[in-house]
Amino acid sequence: DQQVKQNSPSLSVQEGRISILNCDYTNSMFDYFLWYKKYPAEGPTFLISISSIKDKNEDGRFTVFLNKSAKHLSLHIVPSQPGDSAVYFCAASGNDYKLSFGAGTTVTVRA
Amino acid sequence: NAGVTQTPKFRVLKTGQSMTLLCAQDMNHEYMYWYRQDPGMGLRLIHYSVGEGTTAKGEVPDGYNVSRLKKQNFLLGLESAAPSQTSVYFCATSWTNYGYTFGSGTRLTVV
Repeated sequence: DQQVKQNSPSLSVQEGRISILNCDYTNSMFDYFLWYKKYPAEGPTFLISISSIKDKNEDGRFTVFLNKSAKHLSLHIVPSQPGDSAVYFCAASGNDYKLSFGAGTTVTVRA
Repeated sequence: NAGVTQTPKFRVLKTGQSMTLLCAQDMNHEYMYWYRQDPGMGLRLIHYSVGEGTTAKGEVPDGYNVSRLKKQNFLLGLESAAPSQTSVYFCATSWTNYGYTFGSGTRLTVV
């Protein structure tokens, strides 16, 4: 049973607009959340993370929001650029250093 | 600085054949992991290691074995390959729960 769920397999957005990716989790022991980005034929690369003691973390065009009560997090990309076209994985961990991943959301940024 | 290197990058096996995937890291990380990526399933943890000489089962360990004889290497073995093991395999290393570094993957097809 997947503990991290990304219910939208794909997202298409126009260049310059906001991309919003969503992620839900079921394990209340998770206290660290991450987003990874993956291009074809490459391994995932770390994008941004957030600890459970925060509700928002920003890094340039990327912002992650965490709603612990709803067990929900989201990734905002503003503005979206063509190079952002990739698969985005949501991941979560407790205190055991193992990451549980969602199924991924494929983002396509249209020119 | 190579980071995490996986060999081979591609392989086609016949059902029942065996093979070993090698993961080598030069970052001196204690933790190493093997994941498989399948469409709609995201990344699922097969086995992991918290240090030289240790291994542990992940979410989907059946049909696989691992060894960590040296800190820098983590081997994933398939003793008798099955078509259900057709997948893309990723090795990752970490020293914290946000320090995951992935290799570029091994695409395995079992016919």
